[in-house]
Amino acid sequence: DAGVIQSPRHEVTEMGQEVTLRCKPISGHDYLFWYRQTMMRGLELLIYFNNNVPIDDSGMPEDRFSAKMPNASFSTLKIQPSEPRDSAVYFCASRTGTGHEKLFFGSGTQLSVL
Amino acid sequence: LAKTTQPISMDSYEGQEVNITCSHNNIATNDYITWYQQFPSQGPRFIIQGYKTKVTNEVASLFIPADRKSSTLSLPRVSLSDTAVYYCLVASGSARQLTFGSGTQLTVLP
Repeated sequence: DAGVIQSPRHEVTEMGQEVTLRCKPISGHDYLFWYRQTMMRGLELLIYFNNNVPIDDSGMPEDRFSAKMPNASFSTLKIQPSEPRDSAVYFCASRTGTGHEKLFFGSGTQLSVL
Repeated sequence: LAKTTQPISMDSYEGQEVNITCSHNNIATNDYITWYQQFPSQGPRFIIQGYKTKVTNEVASLFIPADRKSSTLSLPRVSLSDTAVYYCLVASGSARQLTFGSGTQLTVLP
């Protein structure tokens, strides 16, 4: 398996623009998580899905952030409009519903909002 | 989720054994202890998990005392490539989400 695949790897945009981050989880995994990592706040859980349904979005910073999972093999995290404080590395992770919390992370998207 | 406390940073030299201890005083009966490793520009990677006593795999060993209020990740004979951030997490098997703490920055020196 190719693992969790995220795109793009790097994204540079200007304040006010819409940004869409993409994630393909590992086939067969029914949980998908979006994390954000910054030096100041570390790894923060933004939202997670179970069987394509959003379960907990309490970590989403504000209404500018939205996430979707239209099917089991694809999820997006959208920021509209983007702001410089959104600059961070965004990770997608997935796991099966069994086992004890073994998460598989993608390589992340480095987002820079100028 | 049980709160964990681990050192912010540690330095070691190549070839040495490194032990990183994590405190989790309010661990619950159903909680497991899991360690992740994160290299720069990569996502965290699962290293090892345990419930009690000792667990060993090809990468590391995990020592858990009887009271389970702490755990120690042991990396044998570290190399420069083991320089990374190591996270200790405690959660039950039924927990749906994981919360990462600050982790321990391990720097291996030549």
